[in-house]
Amino acid sequence: AQSVTQLGSHVSVSEGALVLLRCNYSSSVPPYLFWYVQYPNQGLQLLLKYTTGATLVKGINGFEAEFKKSETSFHLTKPSAHMSDAAEYFCAVLTGNQFYFGTGTSLTVIP
Amino acid sequence: EPEVTQTPSHQVTQMGQEVILRCVPISNHLYFYWYRQILGQKVEFLVSFYNNEISEKSEIFDDQFSVERPDGSNFTLKIRSTKLEDSAMYFCASSEGLAGAIYEQYFGPGTRLTVT
Repeated sequence: AQSVTQLGSHVSVSEGALVLLRCNYSSSVPPYLFWYVQYPNQGLQLLLKYTTGATLVKGINGFEAEFKKSETSFHLTKPSAHMSDAAEYFCAVLTGNQFYFGTGTSLTVIP
Repeated sequence: EPEVTQTPSHQVTQMGQEVILRCVPISNHLYFYWYRQILGQKVEFLVSFYNNEISEKSEIFDDQFSVERPDGSNFTLKIRSTKLEDSAMYFCASSEGLAGAIYEQYFGPGTRLTVT
């Protein structure tokens, strides 16, 4: 069975500080991995994805994530948080033709 | 930029009533999806739809649920007789091809369904 775990339903960081949002997955086959962001009153928007190749993937708005097979992780990072990064972030796994999402992490950026 | 739209943004209904949630996918997209998120829980896949038929559905998508593309633009999710546990945010999504490595899913802003 596939599952996605996002540690920390709420994360707060100061503006300019490192953002680290954690995602671990379980999958019986090599998965495709995704991070989505949801701003208030908007739909989920793709930030980045890992399918094959380089394990460090870069996305929009300065975010990146690294696929670590040995740790079954796909943590999302950004070196310096901006106020506009405040949003809900969802990690997802695609296996077969179905997406499996985590519960989401709400990121608060403190000025 | 094209976007997926959903109406209404919030729907309140009484238990046992039928509800129809509406979505307008991006116009050249061929695959359509419904997801739901119960408050505090994961976003869960309900169903995918292609070529006027369901291509995949989860175990959540039981006989109480149905989907339809009644015309060339709308994609609807009907819940026949709502239960309290159907209260959730329902997201519609669409993609040009089967979502995955190549084709991206584009999500609507969601409809919050409250069953009282």
